[in-house]
Amino acid sequence: GENVEQHPSTLSVQEGDSAVIKCTYSDSASNYFPWYKQELGKGPQLIIDIRSNVGEKKDQRIAVTLNKTAKHFSLHITETQPEDSAVYFCAASISGNQFYFGTGTSLTVIP
Amino acid sequence: DSGVTQTPKHLITATGQRVTLRCSPRSGDLSVYWYQQSLDQGLQFLIQYYNGEERAKGNILERFSAQQFPDLHSELNLSSLELGDSALYFCASSVSGREHNEQFFGPGTRLTVL
Repeated sequence: GENVEQHPSTLSVQEGDSAVIKCTYSDSASNYFPWYKQELGKGPQLIIDIRSNVGEKKDQRIAVTLNKTAKHFSLHITETQPEDSAVYFCAASISGNQFYFGTGTSLTVIP
Repeated sequence: DSGVTQTPKHLITATGQRVTLRCSPRSGDLSVYWYQQSLDQGLQFLIQYYNGEERAKGNILERFSAQQFPDLHSELNLSSLELGDSALYFCASSVSGREHNEQFFGPGTRLTVL
């Protein structure tokens, strides 16, 4: 089955700096890669996603890049703010079925 | 508020018991997913239903079963509970279960097995 690895497990950045979280996947059939933000006591919330026919996608301060050949994808958050502090999960899926999640990155933005 | 509801919020039970977790998807969503989140294993996909039919199966134990009813709500049944089953159980829903349809997660049910 699919195996998703996520790094780093914890990340601390100064407010205003950029944060980068990286994931790799193993199954070349995976074609959908969402990123989720989970705040304490809540369920994960989709923040951005990318499909395998796209190399990069941006939404304001958040961007995701995908390298299908290398089977890795990354989340970039620019101009970080304290409210960005949360746990971030990457995931890989084949056509919306069987989502496989990374182990999460706990991001702390220091004011 | 995602529009996905889960009950109960908390559940405390003993080893060997059986429990049922309930999920109501967002209005209009046909697909329901179940996940287990534990401290040491992160988010694990358990099973997906689409319009009443099982569509995909992940790391779901044989002691666990699920179903989706005609009104589209779903139940996850956990039996012969073990200490290791203690975790957060999330339900998510999406319109059709296709890759470009966003999954909306419920607030979760925290299960504690003593």
